[in-house]
Amino acid sequence: EVQLLESGGSLVQPGGSLRLSCAASGFTFSSYAMTWVRQAPGKGLEWVSGISGSGGSTYFADSVKGRFTISRDNSKNTLYLQMNSLRAEDTAVYYCAKEVEYHYDSGGYPHYWGQGTLVTVSS
Amino acid sequence: QLVLTQSPSASASLGASVKLTCTLSSGHSDYAIAWHQQHPEKGPRYLMKLRSDGSHSKGDGIPDRFSGSSSGAERHLTISSLQSEDEADYYCQTWGTGIRVFGGGTKLTVL
Repeated sequence: EVQLLESGGSLVQPGGSLRLSCAASGFTFSSYAMTWVRQAPGKGLEWVSGISGSGGSTYFADSVKGRFTISRDNSKNTLYLQMNSLRAEDTAVYYCAKEVEYHYDSGGYPHYWGQGTLVTVSS
Repeated sequence: QLVLTQSPSASASLGASVKLTCTLSSGHSDYAIAWHQQHPEKGPRYLMKLRSDGSHSKGDGIPDRFSGSSSGAERHLTISSLQSEDEADYYCQTWGTGIRVFGGGTKLTVL
């Protein structure tokens, strides 16, 4: 059974940093690209970032480019999202998702989702 | 620009059928999409991949009541024999090179 468990969400001040983690199990982690998607309170889903199975290719939404970094440790079956220079508009539940393909740029979609972790940016 | 458009809300009666629509932006009418379901306070769930020819491949455990179809730039999700647990938000999603795009979502109310 595929399981994705996000952690690391908390209350942080504007301009601060936070690192989210996503522990994966139930599949060969290194064989699949991964995605981060967020959802602001009462709003829809917004794609944030993606990474290929090897970790060699990364992609970001314009809204987070230059502030967020995505990485993965295939030996630990864990996905990360490093968030710097956080703003109020980054407040959201952050979901990690397993993609259906290995390569991110060949296109695809989230096939399995986690339950999310809440990030609140406020003073 | 790759954009997906969904109606904000839909409603249908228990036991009836409902058809949700997702429209691809101009120039992208041949794109495949994915449908995802989200219950309140829960993570989304993948429902199906839907191609421009109407063929679709569903996720694990998705009931036969859920089906997909396509017409031009429109991608449809039909839910038949509506049950109370089908009340949820439904998102369509597509992809370009290195990006993922979500529609705004449709909130389905089961009357």
